[in-house]
Amino acid sequence: EAGVAQSPRYKIIEKRQSVAFWCNPISGHATLYWYQQILGQGPKLLIQFQNNGVVDDSQLPKDRFSAERLKGVDSTLKIQPAKLEDSAVYLCASSPSGGSSYEQYFGPGTRLTVT
Amino acid sequence: GQNIDQPTEMTATEGAIVQINCTYQTSGFNGLFWYQQHAGEAPTFLSYNVLDGLEEKGRFSSFLSRSKGYSYLLLKELQMKDSASYLCAVRDSPALGRLYFGRGTQLTVWP
Repeated sequence: EAGVAQSPRYKIIEKRQSVAFWCNPISGHATLYWYQQILGQGPKLLIQFQNNGVVDDSQLPKDRFSAERLKGVDSTLKIQPAKLEDSAVYLCASSPSGGSSYEQYFGPGTRLTVT
Repeated sequence: GQNIDQPTEMTATEGAIVQINCTYQTSGFNGLFWYQQHAGEAPTFLSYNVLDGLEEKGRFSSFLSRSKGYSYLLLKELQMKDSASYLCAVRDSPALGRLYFGRGTQLTVWP
């Protein structure tokens, strides 16, 4: 079974530029999560999708971050404009359903450096 | 808010046993997870507890006390490859499935 795919793996941009990350979840997984992991910290949930609808985006900085999951499969996370404090690893995870499944499966992440 | 606390660092030697503690204060509780994360890699699932008691899985065991807001991960017969960050996470709602993570405990295993 293929895992969660993410691209790019690494990205370096200057502050005020824009950037987009892509995630392809495990086939058949209805729920998709985007997390931000700052160095030395645990992952923090940014947004959760159930199929193509947003379930929770309470911790997403909506003035600069946006995300979509068209057709309930792939998802993109965008930052515009980026700030220095956005430097982090952005992890995508998926699970078969929101509550009944035990675990979330994580992708390898995209390491973003904002200079 | 959600508060999940675990030690920042621990060290141990090969073959030893180590216990990583986690305490939590959350508005809801629907399970506690432990994940392992090697440097530069994605977190991988280790264990899940939703009822009080001990869950054993090979060299790894996890314990939960809901009344105390406390869990621990026990690693036996440590190997060098166990050097990693161990993340404690709480799921607050069965409907949403979202996880709140602690900062992680960086375990270093020495030969």
